[in-house]
Amino acid sequence: EAGVTQSPTHLIKTRGQQATLRCSPISGHTSVYWYQQALGLGLQFLLWYDEGEERNRGNFPPRFSGRQFPNYSSELNVNALELEDSALYLCASSPTGAGANVLTFGAGSRLTVL
Amino acid sequence: AQSVTQLDSHVSVSEGTPVLLRCNYSSSYSPSLFWYVQHPNKGLQLLLKYTSAATLVKGINGFEAEFKKSETSFHLTKPSAHMSDAAEYFCVVSDVRTSGTYKYIFGTGTRLKVLA
Repeated sequence: EAGVTQSPTHLIKTRGQQATLRCSPISGHTSVYWYQQALGLGLQFLLWYDEGEERNRGNFPPRFSGRQFPNYSSELNVNALELEDSALYLCASSPTGAGANVLTFGAGSRLTVL
Repeated sequence: AQSVTQLDSHVSVSEGTPVLLRCNYSSSYSPSLFWYVQHPNKGLQLLLKYTSAATLVKGINGFEAEFKKSETSFHLTKPSAHMSDAAEYFCVVSDVRTSGTYKYIFGTGTRLKVLA
């Protein structure tokens, strides 16, 4: 069974540009979570999608957005990039949005903003 | 409100000695608790989870954790550290009764160093 896959592995952008990160969940999982892991700041919750809808959002500005497609894959868009957006972006999936389900993580996409 | 506190940001042990990574949580309801491990430049991997069944939870790679409601703790232990255990460990709490605003709360992580 394929795990959670994320692309690209690495991405280098300059300030003001836009970045798009992609995530494919485990087959059968309908929920996708996005986290930002910046150096020294731990994991910060960004977004939760379930069944194509945004269910919850972390304390991030609106330039962080995303969507979930009918096949449950997801993309995260970051507009007007700032230097502090440099981080490892982790995607996780779970079978459903409710209950104490295990999150299965991808290997992450490392975004570097110059 | 939910919260989770990992009491040590760094822990160093010698190979073959016991490991103790401490985690305290705060939750209004009956929490679900998890431990994840992250090796350098990798995603997070589940070690174990507690979901109101047995209070002593056994996980992968010889790790286990005990849920102690009276102490609001969920400490991670391993009898004998191996060099491959060197990684960052995250304690996670999830409130199973919350709906609509359901989310997982991650601790700030404990970096485990294993000395030869």
